[in-house]
Amino acid sequence: AQSVSQHNHHVILSEAASLELGCNYSYGGTVNLFWYVQYPGQHLQLLLKYFSGDPLVKGIKGFEAEFIKSKFSFNLRKPSVQWSDTAEYFCAVRGSNDYKLSFGAGTTVTVRA
Amino acid sequence: GAVVSQHPSRVICKSGTSVKIECRSLDFQATTMFWYRQFPKQSLMLMATSNEGSKATYEQGVEKDKFLINHASLTLSTLTVTSAHPEDSSFYICSAVGQSSYEQYFGPGTRLTVT
Repeated sequence: AQSVSQHNHHVILSEAASLELGCNYSYGGTVNLFWYVQYPGQHLQLLLKYFSGDPLVKGIKGFEAEFIKSKFSFNLRKPSVQWSDTAEYFCAVRGSNDYKLSFGAGTTVTVRA
Repeated sequence: GAVVSQHPSRVICKSGTSVKIECRSLDFQATTMFWYRQFPKQSLMLMATSNEGSKATYEQGVEKDKFLINHASLTLSTLTVTSAHPEDSSFYICSAVGQSSYEQYFGPGTRLTVT
C-alpha cells in the first residue's frame, strides 16, 4: 500500500522568507508525484507534478519541487513567499499506471505580511 | 481548463434523512470520478472510484449501502448519503479524470452538516 508523509503540520513565515515543505512517500513501484494547494474557501488546485525526466520540476506561482528517488522524497520549495501563499498544501502520490491518488495529511502555511 | 462543479456547496440536513451531492465535469467527459471525504485539518480520504456505466469501487471501510454512488453519464456522478447521522458531517470532494489525461480535476467540495 502506498502512503505519503508530510513532515510539517503548520508553518508560519514572514513575507519574502523561503519555504520548503517536506514530503516522503512509500510505494513499491514507479510513481507519479503531485503537489496541490487549497486556498481558504477554494478547491484543490494542482501546483506541479512529476511523471518522469528532470527531477526538478517547476510549477505555477513560483513553486518548484525536487524528486529524490533514493530518499523517496518530493519536497516543495519557493524562494520568496507572499501573503497570498497562505493556504493548505498537499503532497500526493499514485502508481504510474493508476488513477488513484494517496494524499499526505497536508501542511498549513501561514504567511504574515 | 477543465472545470468540475459540485452542487450543493453547503447542505444542512436532519439526522435520518438522505442527501444527494452532484459532481459535474463542465467542459470535458470524465470516464472516472473519485469521491473523497475531508475532515477538518486532515487530508483527503478516498471513499470510492466511480466509473461511468458501472458500479463504483469502494475503499476499505466505506459502507457502500450508506454512500450510494451513481455515475450515469460521462459528465455526472452523484453521491447520496443515506440515513445521515451527525458523524457523517464532513467536507465531500469529487474529482474527475478526462478521457485523454491521467490528471484529476477537483470540485470545490460540499460541506455537509447533519443535525
